Amino acid sequence: GAGVSQSPSNKVTEKGKDVELRCDPISGHTALYWYRQSLGQGLEFLIYFQGNSAPDKSGLPSDRFSAERTGGSVSTLTIQRTQQEDSAVYLCASSLLAGGTQYFGPGTRLTVL
Amino acid sequence: QKEVEQNSGPLSVPEGAIASLNCTYSDRGSQSFFWYRQYSGKSPELIMFIYSNGDKEDGRFTAQLNKASQYVSLLIRDSQPSDSATYLCAAERGSQGNLIFGKGTKLSVKP
Repeated sequence: GAGVSQSPSNKVTEKGKDVELRCDPISGHTALYWYRQSLGQGLEFLIYFQGNSAPDKSGLPSDRFSAERTGGSVSTLTIQRTQQEDSAVYLCASSLLAGGTQYFGPGTRLTVL
Repeated sequence: QKEVEQNSGPLSVPEGAIASLNCTYSDRGSQSFFWYRQYSGKSPELIMFIYSNGDKEDGRFTAQLNKASQYVSLLIRDSQPSDSATYLCAAERGSQGNLIFGKGTKLSVKP
């Protein structure tokens, strides 16, 4: 596709359930990033994939959060046993190379009831 | 803790004026800097990036970088109501590739 796509656009779940968020980066982009943005707040870095290197997981807030990137393309962010404080917009971005311009997807708005 | 700091605003300017948005960063290893615009309820979109000290102009936008002072700014000339948004400053995190974002400055351009 022409841009970064994310699905679902909205997700409402109950506390304690697991959720999976998907990101399709721009074709050919080697780097993929996940961020979280709570209402009225800045972007919080979560995890970063670059090519075949081990991901930088330094931003993941707890071990309930994990992500994988299959085949160097699509990425899935999984949140286990969701909590109300996990409610936020989860943004994915990709860049052609590490440190390059990041292009953002439309985000997934997660609401944990 | 490597950080990017921005005044949260809101910064209010009249239509046609110059809006000046400022940002400081703490990581001296950062080489690339980015300005993103984010409309309410939307995802960030890139306005400009800058690598070298000095000014970089693109239409009504000018980015300024001073590495010695660890300072980045964005000037918007002839501000329009459609420029009303939150502006995010980001610095490359040394050689690690990902970006550190400031919390953003909310700009309001009054007609």
